[in-house]
Amino acid sequence: GNSVTQMEGPVTLSEEAFLTINCTYTATGYPSLFWYVQYPGEGLQLLLKATKADDKGSNKGFEATYRKETTSFHLEKGSVQVSDSAVYFCALTPNAGNMLTFGGGTRLMVKP
Amino acid sequence: EADIYQTPRYLVIGTGKKITLECSQTMGHDKMYWYQQDPGMELHLIHYSYGVNSTEKGDLSSESTVSRIRTEHFPLTLESARPSHTSQYLCASSEYAGSGGIYDEQFFGPGTRLTVL
Repeated sequence: GNSVTQMEGPVTLSEEAFLTINCTYTATGYPSLFWYVQYPGEGLQLLLKATKADDKGSNKGFEATYRKETTSFHLEKGSVQVSDSAVYFCALTPNAGNMLTFGGGTRLMVKP
Repeated sequence: EADIYQTPRYLVIGTGKKITLECSQTMGHDKMYWYQQDPGMELHLIHYSYGVNSTEKGDLSSESTVSRIRTEHFPLTLESARPSHTSQYLCASSEYAGSGGIYDEQFFGPGTRLTVL
């Protein structure tokens, strides 16, 4: 079956630090990959996505590259801000159908 | 503005009460979903619907029920709430993207935080 594994949090960083949140997946075929973000007290928002190997998704300074050879989709940002404090979810959907499989979520805390 | 709405945002209720969590979307999406999010943040799919008059159970068994009488509306009902139902409930929707059974990404509502005393 499909599964997503992401690094456990919380991840605590100082403002302007470099961020990496690791995400690896198991799936048959060629899934689409997503990063969702959940700010405190809110629902999930799509942050970025990639639909095929070597695609790079990017948004709001965040980026992630679909690496089929390592089955990974790590999230990176060069300089985090306090406002980036949230829970980040890596997810995949198979190439047919739309049943998202989520990772367990990683809480990011950015200190001023 | 196209969006997905959930009401109430917060609900505190006593054991044994019947409750309905509302979810509406104005995007005309065919597929809708309900997720339960536990305090450890993990998301569990409890119900989904492909369209009007379609309802399916998700990965996590739930005592709740859903209905889909209108495309835009996907309410979730608990006939008799219990403390074990205390959780955050998230509604989502997605659009059919074309051939091959592929749907576009899911859009989420703000969630309902339910507390059963």
